[in-house]
Amino acid sequence: EAEVAQSPRYKITEKSQAVAFWCDPISGHATLYWYRQILGQGPELLVQFQDESVVDDSQLPKDRFSAERLKGVDSTLKIQPAELGDSAMYLCASSFESTGDNEQFFGPGTRLTVL
Amino acid sequence: GESVGLHLPTLSVQEGDNSIINCAYSNSASDYFIWYKQESGKGPQFIIDIRSNMDKRQGQRVTVLLNKTVKHLSLQIAATQPGDSAVYFCAENMGNTDKLIFGTGTRLQVFP
Repeated sequence: EAEVAQSPRYKITEKSQAVAFWCDPISGHATLYWYRQILGQGPELLVQFQDESVVDDSQLPKDRFSAERLKGVDSTLKIQPAELGDSAMYLCASSFESTGDNEQFFGPGTRLTVL
Repeated sequence: GESVGLHLPTLSVQEGDNSIINCAYSNSASDYFIWYKQESGKGPQFIIDIRSNMDKRQGQRVTVLLNKTVKHLSLQIAATQPGDSAVYFCAENMGNTDKLIFGTGTRLQVFP
């Protein structure tokens, strides 16, 4: 069964360092999402791509976060510099289309701990 | 702002009993709702969805009920099993966008 792949699964870093997360969506899925999930809370959308274009990055802290999907397939989310408050699970999801009722498939996430 | 919330943060049920997880939403423009299951260390997994033109939808052992009058959503799990232990999130899709707004989650604990 096709799955969304993410790496690394766990990342520990010190504040002020740079970190990067990678996501490979399900083959053929044009829409890719990055979410941040703080422990005990629901995921919050950071950025949404349609192919290689950003559709929504209104909740992305652009002073330190960046995301790209250069060829419209896999994607990278970067944080520089990391802050203590960035500790969270970073989830990637993909969907076939960007319509309102299209199922989003989630990857296993990257657990980030900032010391 | 608009929000999706849950009434109970933790629900404990005995194996074999039925479980009901509730969710309140506040955006009357939302027309699509989804329930997700998240096991420890994993990403959310789609369970069942419902559009606003329906008030009930059934899946395998799960039923979602939508009451638009009081803006309430519930997930019913029949014959709850240990494998159902997880955190359950409701999410709403706001209008003609595909942006999902998630609630804070309810932890379901199943004991023998």
